[in-house]
Amino acid sequence: GQQVMQIPQYQHVQEGEDFTTYCNSSTTLSNIQWYKQRPGGHPVFLIQLVKSGEVKKQKRLTFQFGEAKKNSSLHITATQTTDVGTYFCAGPLSTLTFGKGTMLLVSP
Amino acid sequence: EAGVAQSPRYKIIEKRQSVAFWCNPISGHATLYWYQQILGQGPKLLIQFQNNGVVDDSQLPKDRFSAERLKGVDSTLKIQPAKLEDSAVYLCASSPPGGLAGLTDTQYFGPGTRLTVL
Repeated sequence: GQQVMQIPQYQHVQEGEDFTTYCNSSTTLSNIQWYKQRPGGHPVFLIQLVKSGEVKKQKRLTFQFGEAKKNSSLHITATQTTDVGTYFCAGPLSTLTFGKGTMLLVSP
Repeated sequence: EAGVAQSPRYKIIEKRQSVAFWCNPISGHATLYWYQQILGQGPKLLIQFQNNGVVDDSQLPKDRFSAERLKGVDSTLKIQPAKLEDSAVYLCASSPPGGLAGLTDTQYFGPGTRLTVL
């Protein structure tokens, strides 16, 4: 069936290192959303990408939508302890479908 | 602006018992969603309401789960009878009206209800 896959499942970095999570869809997406969920918290919307090849930045976060609109990435430059959490991508398949997320741990 | 409210925050029940969750969306938000989030996974959409009508309930296990949004504002999700595999966080989300074509509505999530079925 249609699905959204994310890798890696988990990453542990030292503060100041960079981090990237990748999202792949089994089918072309009209758009893709990214959410962040802090430990014990609820998902919070970060951004939505719509155009093929689109790149958007939010401070240290860079989001990219692939040319074929089947993949996306989130890159964090110089991680901070406040970046800890699970990052989810979500795409509108038959219903809005979330990936399993990438859990980011940042050691000071 | 107040966020999405949910209650209870935690619930522990035994299998075969019934349980109900309540959600009050952000004021003015016409669309309301219920999600199930099992530990280590992303949220899975159970049901979507537009005002008091069901838009999508394709992933709702209708033999045991039911949901309603009678007056188009708050909503309840019920499980009867509960199974061990229903242990999860149940998230309610809402979206404002006026979404643009080609865009997916932003989901504003509540704090969730953590259900443990023993």
